[in-house]
Amino acid sequence: GIQVEQSPPDLILQEGANSTLRCNFSDSVNNLQWFHQNPWGQLINLFYIPSGTKQNGRLSATTVATERYSLLYISSSQTTDSGVYFCAVDDRYGNKLVFGAGTILRVKS
Amino acid sequence: DSGVTQTPKHLITATGQRVTLRCSPRSGDLSVYWYQQSLDQGLQFLIQYYNGEERAKGNILERFSAQQFPDLHSELNLSSLELGDSALYFCASSVEGSPDTQYFGPGTRLTVL
Repeated sequence: GIQVEQSPPDLILQEGANSTLRCNFSDSVNNLQWFHQNPWGQLINLFYIPSGTKQNGRLSATTVATERYSLLYISSSQTTDSGVYFCAVDDRYGNKLVFGAGTILRVKS
Repeated sequence: DSGVTQTPKHLITATGQRVTLRCSPRSGDLSVYWYQQSLDQGLQFLIQYYNGEERAKGNILERFSAQQFPDLHSELNLSSLELGDSALYFCASSVEGSPDTQYFGPGTRLTVL
């Protein structure tokens, strides 16, 4: 099945810093989503982005489908950005999401 | 708030027991998905229903079963529970069964003692 790799596995930032999280996937996809799992365990939708670029406040994402990767940019990070960021993709045979292992982000004040 | 509701939020039970987790999708969504998040396996897809019919199956154990009812809510039944079944169980929903944004509920944290 499709493989999803996220990097880096861990990231520690000072408040106000910027960061880029990467997601590589091994096959063509119809669906790619970025999620933030907060310390309470909730999975929060950030972006649905199978291709192209989107922005939402301090967050933006770009997916280059032909090169099979997606990037999540976090600017001016805040302590509330801490948590785990997951990239998830489906494969061309269905809509079940395959998740990467996640990037653990810690933002220090 | 994603609009997907799950009950209960927490569940503590003993090995060998059976539990039922419930999910109500967002209004208008026809497709429901179940995922399991455990420390050793990460987030894994279990099963998908679309408008009452099973659409896709993942790494779901034979001890687990699910169904989607005519009002579109779904239940995940876990039986003969083992310690390793302790996990966070998420339900997600989407409008269609084809590529579409999946919205996740808050999850049910199951602890098997």
